[in-house]
Amino acid sequence: GAGVSQSPSNKVTEKGKDVELRCDPISGHTALYWYRQSLGQGLEFLIYFQGNSAPDKSGLPSDRFSAERTGGSVSTLTIQRTQQEDSAVYLCASSLEGHRGAYGYTFGSGTRLTVV
Amino acid sequence: GENVEQHPSTLSVQEGDSAVIKCTYSDSASNYFPWYKQELGKGPQLIIDIRSNVGEKKDQRIAVTLNKTAKHFSLHITETQPEDSAVYFCAARGYGNNRLAFGKGNQVVVIP
Repeated sequence: GAGVSQSPSNKVTEKGKDVELRCDPISGHTALYWYRQSLGQGLEFLIYFQGNSAPDKSGLPSDRFSAERTGGSVSTLTIQRTQQEDSAVYLCASSLEGHRGAYGYTFGSGTRLTVV
Repeated sequence: GENVEQHPSTLSVQEGDSAVIKCTYSDSASNYFPWYKQELGKGPQLIIDIRSNVGEKKDQRIAVTLNKTAKHFSLHITETQPEDSAVYFCAARGYGNNRLAFGKGNQVVVIP
């Protein structure tokens, strides 16, 4: 598609349940990022995938969070045993990495996760 | 790593006036500086960016200026309109780094 697609757009889950959030990046974009945005707050980096390199997981807040990217395209962010503090908008972005410079990200519209 | 700060956190302007948001960065090797606009319920959207070999860039009513010596860059919006009301994020990426460091965002409110 023309943009970054995220699904679902909204997710309500019970505390303790696992959730999976999906991101379809722009075709050909080699880099994929996950961010978290709590209400009225900035962008909190979670994880970054670049090509076949090992992902940068330095932003994951706990071992309940994990992500994978299959075939260098679609990515899934999994949150196990959800807690109320996990409630936030989860944003995915992709970019075209180049050897000669940096490029801006294209963000999806996000998944709004509510843990009740 | 890179640290980016934005000021002010909230900015209110009368419609038609100009708005300026300033960001500072810490890594003198940073070479790419994008600005994002986030409207309510949407993801951030890239509106303008500048590289370290350029001092200023304009696109219609928006412009970005870069001062490498002082390590700050600013977003300028002229002739503001109600649709400019949004949260604006600045970001910076250091040479050889692969991800952006974002500021905490500025809420811009354009008063009709």
